[in-house]
Amino acid sequence: DTAVSQTPKYLVTQMGNDKSIKCEQNLGHDTMYWYKQDSKKFLKIMFSYNNKELIINETVPNRFSPKSPDKAHLNLHINSLELGDSAVYFCASSQAPGISGRELFFGEGSRLTVL
Amino acid sequence: GQQLNQSPQSMFIQEGEDVSMNCTSSSIFNTWLWYKQEPGEGPVLLIALYKAGELTSNGRLTAQFGITRKDSFLNISASIPSDVGIYFCAGGYNTDKLIFGTGTRLQVFP
Repeated sequence: DTAVSQTPKYLVTQMGNDKSIKCEQNLGHDTMYWYKQDSKKFLKIMFSYNNKELIINETVPNRFSPKSPDKAHLNLHINSLELGDSAVYFCASSQAPGISGRELFFGEGSRLTVL
Repeated sequence: GQQLNQSPQSMFIQEGEDVSMNCTSSSIFNTWLWYKQEPGEGPVLLIALYKAGELTSNGRLTAQFGITRKDSFLNISASIPSDVGIYFCAGGYNTDKLIFGTGTRLQVFP
């Protein structure tokens, strides 16, 4: 029973399209995150939600819109995809935000390729 | 954005050897964590450190929270082929977001 599951695992699409990635956690955690990992494997936080409320919003193009329908789900919608959006997107969760929530549980990642 | 510098960038070692890697920051943290990422998977937490000077082990892995609070170290003893992966440090200060290191790629040859 996967703790943090995200779908799809692979996504290949054309420039200009809109796509979504879904994430669900069954750990009972309050906080969920989206991270982007580029081709050099750098991990960078994009967004964080605590109990359905946005608490971290990094400098990310507004083509990226997260949505948390409940605290167990965090989806990522990307409009007008660009070549530079190609990356692996990781969903993660933690018990709480801040210092008490440092121990992140990551999903397996969604590899997005924009052609 | 801020990134933590990890050293070395890559390591190619023989099975049975010990491994040491470190992570440095320009600012102090009150939390240091070490994650391992295997190919096609997400990072998995190995060790969490919450106090300066703290030394914590997890099997063959030992990590230390540097006294200056600006660095952390990870050692792997008697490496085995399944230790292969990318090791990331991560640091945090109070409620600030967690910052990840640049990663150390470890390759173990039998």
